[in-house]
Amino acid sequence: EVQLVESGGGLVKPGGSLRLSCATSGFTFSNAWMSWVRQAPGKGLEWVGRIKNKIDGGTTDYDAPVKDRFIISRDDSKDTLYLQMNSLKTEDTATYYCTMDQAFYNVLTASLSSAFDFWGRGTTVTVS
Amino acid sequence: EIVLTQSPGTLSLSPGERVTLSCGASQSINTTDLAWYQQKSGQAPRLLIYGASSRVSGIPDRFIGSGSGTDFTLTISRLEPEDFAVYYCQHYGRSPPITFGQGTRLEIK
Repeated sequence: EVQLVESGGGLVKPGGSLRLSCATSGFTFSNAWMSWVRQAPGKGLEWVGRIKNKIDGGTTDYDAPVKDRFIISRDDSKDTLYLQMNSLKTEDTATYYCTMDQAFYNVLTASLSSAFDFWGRGTTVTVS
Repeated sequence: EIVLTQSPGTLSLSPGERVTLSCGASQSINTTDLAWYQQKSGQAPRLLIYGASSRVSGIPDRFIGSGSGTDFTLTISRLEPEDFAVYYCQHYGRSPPITFGQGTRLEIK
């Protein structure tokens, strides 16, 4: 059974830093592309960024609001994903979810789709 | 960046009714790149549909995704009590960013 368990959330002052972790099990973490998605209180979903597996370069991509402030990393030996958040702003207040990017192959159309098939329960970050 | 606009924002319906949720893209996208999620209060989102119309294993067949180009829909053929939730569409293309619509809330009338 795939499990994603986030931790590290809490209350931090504006300008501060926080590191979130996502411990995973039930799948081959080193093969997975992983993303962070956040949700501000009462608001919709916002993709934060992702990290590819090392076979695909291990590169990261970020959404514009967090680029240059947040860093996503992974430790394949520990099956763990990280989100280092620096220079935090009040607008970063949200529940942060760890997700696994799943690739789906449609045999009928010979096409590939990607989506977030597995999610953690989230960890709450409050910047105030 | 692909902007997704969902409509309506909120729908009040009764169990047993049929409902169609809309998701419009700011430019034409591949059907392979459109997904739908359901989020119940206090829970993480759950993937329902990928590739615009393919149901994830275990998702009931009353959930039907369709569309192409800039217009996509999620139809729930007969609402069950557990279907009242918020629904999001998502664009996951070859290049980032990955984007979500703002969501449509289904509430019990």
